Amino acid sequence: NAGVTQTPKFQVLKTGQSMTLQCAQDMNHEYMSWYRQDPGMGLRLIHYSVGAGITDQGEVPNGYNVSRSTTEDFPLRLLSAAPSQTSVYFCASKDPLKSSGANVLTFGAGSRLTVL
Amino acid sequence: EDKVVQSPLSLVVHEGDTVTLNCSYEVTNFRSLLWYKQEKKAPTFLFMLTSSGIEKKSGRLSSILDKKELFSILNITATQTGDSAVYLCAVGGSGNTGKLIFGQGTTLQVKP
Repeated sequence: NAGVTQTPKFQVLKTGQSMTLQCAQDMNHEYMSWYRQDPGMGLRLIHYSVGAGITDQGEVPNGYNVSRSTTEDFPLRLLSAAPSQTSVYFCASKDPLKSSGANVLTFGAGSRLTVL
Repeated sequence: EDKVVQSPLSLVVHEGDTVTLNCSYEVTNFRSLLWYKQEKKAPTFLFMLTSSGIEKKSGRLSSILDKKELFSILNITATQTGDSAVYLCAVGGSGNTGKLIFGQGTTLQVKP
């Protein structure tokens, strides 16, 4: 049981390049989400999904796309990277049954992205 | 607009001191408040609070929620250098979507 796995751990991009951050979980969690963490701003929700085929926007969705074709995977796509997207990205998942209606998320190790 | 505000933003103490971290919130249809600890990697879960006035404890850490005044505190007694971390407060609103609104975090440094 690996939990929540994110790849890559580090990435450097040039402005305008595209890339995908991968997130996979092996806990059969229905809910998955992406956050970005910037100094002094805590964690901000980018996109989330409550199950395969269902996604929705969070607080800061602009510049990012997601899809959820399987329960296990929730990739985050940057279509045209900008320096403002330099950040640490965390994927997190939740088991709604185990959490009994509350919001205890399990986080991946994070992906540090630098856009030059 | 939903928001979560933590204070102080940073704190430096010496081993053995007791610290209190604060978290206030304004969230539509509050369901739960969570505390996480982050040590240069992924946040790890500490406490979840849903009912007012009930203290949660784990060793030297404890937390309590006041739903009337819309705040929570996290206490750490007899601090150790291993307590040095960023402490994050997060609040979940209506529904079971798992959406959490996070505060800015409090950076705690415990000196030997």
